[in-house]
Amino acid sequence: QVQLQESGPGLVKPSETLSLTCTVSGYSISSGYYWGWIRQPPGKGLEWIGSIYHSGSTYYNPSLKSRVTISVDTSKNQFSLKLSSVTAADTAVYYCARDTGGIDYWGQGTLVTVSS
Amino acid sequence: QSVLTQPPSASGTPGQRVTISCSGSSSNIGSNTVNWYQQLPGTAPKLLIYSNNQRPSGVPDRFSGSKSGTSASLAISGLQSEDEADYYCAAWDDSLNGRMVFGGGTKLTVL
Repeated sequence: QVQLQESGPGLVKPSETLSLTCTVSGYSISSGYYWGWIRQPPGKGLEWIGSIYHSGSTYYNPSLKSRVTISVDTSKNQFSLKLSSVTAADTAVYYCARDTGGIDYWGQGTLVTVSS
Repeated sequence: QSVLTQPPSASGTPGQRVTISCSGSSSNIGSNTVNWYQQLPGTAPKLLIYSNNQRPSGVPDRFSGSKSGTSASLAISGLQSEDEADYYCAAWDDSLNGRMVFGGGTKLTVL
């Protein structure tokens, strides 16, 4: 059974960098597929942040591209998200996910609040 | 404002058939497949339909998807109380070097 688990700080100060890691179990990232991040502000809809292929190729939401970096560590079967210069508008539940042409596996999500 | 347009709400009584629409453009639905997600309160979304009309294993055949031109629809027949959830459509968009786009979501209420 494929499982994804997000980890990282739940509180980030404005202007700092949000960093999250997704640990995958039950499937080897190096075997294929895209691995991505989606966020959901409280009470609002879903927003795609970006994805990374197992080989390292990345695709980012143009609206966030200047602030986003997604990387993969196949040795640890993990992939990570860094979002710089955060503001209150970046407060959201952040999900990591596997994309096989549809997002078939999601992490449980982690709430990240941007506040001083 | 979402790239894909969904009605904010929909409702039906148990046993009824309900449809949720998703409108896009030539750069997304018009040229790529559509996926649908169900999000129960307080949980992560779940893939309901992929590639316009395919159901993942375990999804009841009460759920069906279709696509025509730049629009797509999700139909739920034999509505049940546990279907009360938020539903999102999604597709790849070829503009701006490519991006995944979601609809704004439709809250389905079972009366």
